[in-house]
Amino acid sequence: AQSVTQLGSHVSVSEGALVLLRCNYSSSVPPYLFWYVQYPNQGLQLLLKYTSAATLVKGINGFEAEFKKSETSFHLTKPSAHMSDAAEYFCAVKGLDFGNEKLTFGTGTRLTIIP
Amino acid sequence: SQTIHQWPATLVQPVGSPLSLECTVEGTSNPNLYWYRQAAGRGLQLLFYSVGIGQISSEVPQNLSASRPQDRQFILSSKKLLLSDSGFYLCAWSRLAGVQDTQYFGPGTRLTVL
Repeated sequence: AQSVTQLGSHVSVSEGALVLLRCNYSSSVPPYLFWYVQYPNQGLQLLLKYTSAATLVKGINGFEAEFKKSETSFHLTKPSAHMSDAAEYFCAVKGLDFGNEKLTFGTGTRLTIIP
Repeated sequence: SQTIHQWPATLVQPVGSPLSLECTVEGTSNPNLYWYRQAAGRGLQLLFYSVGIGQISSEVPQNLSASRPQDRQFILSSKKLLLSDSGFYLCAWSRLAGVQDTQYFGPGTRLTVL
């Protein structure tokens, strides 16, 4: 079965600093990976997804993520944090050997931006 | 464009009372539909998914049930709520039955069971 691990349930960065949110996956087959963002009391919004077309994926709001098979990682980055980036971020995986369209989510990372 | 609606947005219910949460999708036909629960400090847990009218698959046995009476309507129900049912309930849809396809989430319902 597929799984994801998000290292760090809380991350704080200063405004203008680099944002790095870590995600490692476990999969016996090529995975499809997603990053979602959730603002307080709202649903999840797709930031970006990896579907094997390119290892570096660019998403909305200036975020990007790089798929590294050797490290089984899909870390999310943004060069310069903005106050509006404060939210909770979820990494998720789907695998080719699934019999259904089930997304497996990590436990989330809450990002705080320090003015 | 497609939109997904959930209501109510918030709900406070006593233990033992029934529950009905509704989710509807507009702008697409025959979507895959999903119910997730997000408990405080935990990730998202898939509760139910449906690939068509009347077709429901359950991921976790519990006192909740789901129904899909119409193509774009998905309902989450309970006959008797438990304290542990409190949480943020999210409905999602996807267009295709493929691993690459994206799930799009509704705004959620905050349920508090007292």
